[in-house]
Amino acid sequence: QKEVEQNSGPLSVPEGAIASLNCTYSDRGSQSFFWYRQYSGKSPELIMSIYSNGDKEDGRFTAQLNKASQYVSLLIRDSQPSDSATYLCAVRQGGSEKLVFGKGMKLTVNP
Amino acid sequence: GAGVSQSPSNKVTEKGKDVELRCDPISGHTALYWYRQRLGQGLEFLIYFQGNSAPDKSGLPSDRFSAERTGESVSTLTIQRTQQEDSAVYLCASSLIGGGGYNEQFFGPGTRLTVL
Repeated sequence: QKEVEQNSGPLSVPEGAIASLNCTYSDRGSQSFFWYRQYSGKSPELIMSIYSNGDKEDGRFTAQLNKASQYVSLLIRDSQPSDSATYLCAVRQGGSEKLVFGKGMKLTVNP
Repeated sequence: GAGVSQSPSNKVTEKGKDVELRCDPISGHTALYWYRQRLGQGLEFLIYFQGNSAPDKSGLPSDRFSAERTGESVSTLTIQRTQQEDSAVYLCASSLIGGGGYNEQFFGPGTRLTVL
């Protein structure tokens, strides 16, 4: 079982729609959860972090965490073409400082 | 303020040569990390520094890979006797808190290494 799994995608949504990205993780002791956005040829950019069960909203982005079910998701409301990128889920496991990344989900927002 | 910087941005080398990659973390960040991203793949952890000590080297793929850090500043990742499978983007990240806490890691632009 992979430690951090994301749907392979790609995901394509029309402009203005809600994009939903999901991630599951295997280590129940995981402490912190992050979403990074990576444009083609660029390095990952931190867009959301979440540590407690529930929702965390920042502008058009909402991160959701459910530790009992071991999943974390990212919702992007009013998707824009500029949101087109690969989204990486990252998890800091218990007792470790490193991040374990999923393989990423490529999102395309069509004008 | 200034973000994480890395140099060189691109490095082309011949198989068997040694290379050094440099990372300057965000000022004041105590923790520094190296990751590797092969083409079309996810990020792989290599090594983590807290100050100038490396509590976690578990991701270094072989003894050809080594890294050091001067105080809470610059880090150098060295790859000896490079192989073609070492070709990847090497990413450095830093964070304000390394021993617990939220550990938000911020990445530099990366060094693209190509081994011919």
